[in-house]
Amino acid sequence: GIQVEQSPPDLILQEGANSTLRCNFSDSVNNLQWFHQNPWGQLINLFYIPSGTKQNGRLSATTVATERYSLLYISSSQTTDSGVYFCALASGNNRLAFGKGNQVVVIP
Amino acid sequence: ETGVTQSPTHLIKTRGQQVTLRCSSQSGHNTVSWYQQALGQGPQFIFQYYREEENGRGNFPPRFSGLQFPNYSSELNVNALELDDSALYLCASSLPLMNTEAFFGQGTRLTVV
Repeated sequence: GIQVEQSPPDLILQEGANSTLRCNFSDSVNNLQWFHQNPWGQLINLFYIPSGTKQNGRLSATTVATERYSLLYISSSQTTDSGVYFCALASGNNRLAFGKGNQVVVIP
Repeated sequence: ETGVTQSPTHLIKTRGQQVTLRCSSQSGHNTVSWYQQALGQGPQFIFQYYREEENGRGNFPPRFSGLQFPNYSSELNVNALELDDSALYLCASSLPLMNTEAFFGQGTRLTVV
């Protein structure tokens, strides 16, 4: 099956700092999503981005499908940005394969 | 709010017992997928239901089974519970096309003792 690698696995940020999370994948994709998992376990949709660039407030994402990677940018980080970020993707169907996640801690 | 709801939110069961988890899909979504998330890991695909039929299955044993109802809601059943079945179980709903966004419920946290 398709392989998904996220880096860095753990990240500690000072409030106000910027960061980039990376997702590499092993095959062409028809679906790529970024999620933020809150402390109660719910996966919050951030971006549906199989290709191109999108922005939503302080967050933006870019997927370069031909080079098989996606990036999630967090600007001016806040303590509420803490949590686990997941990249999930599907190739040829709509069954998502998840990476192991990026654990982000933002300290005041 | 995603519109996908799961019940119960928490559950404790004894090894060997059976459990049923429930999911109501987002309005208009007729495809439901189930995922298992062990502690510290990413979610793993269990199976998917479309038009009340199983439409793809991950690497899970037959004691994991499911149903989808005419209103698109779904159940996940696990028989002969094992300690390793302790996990967060997530349900996602989507449209049946490949290039569509999936939305998740809040999950059911199952503990097997």
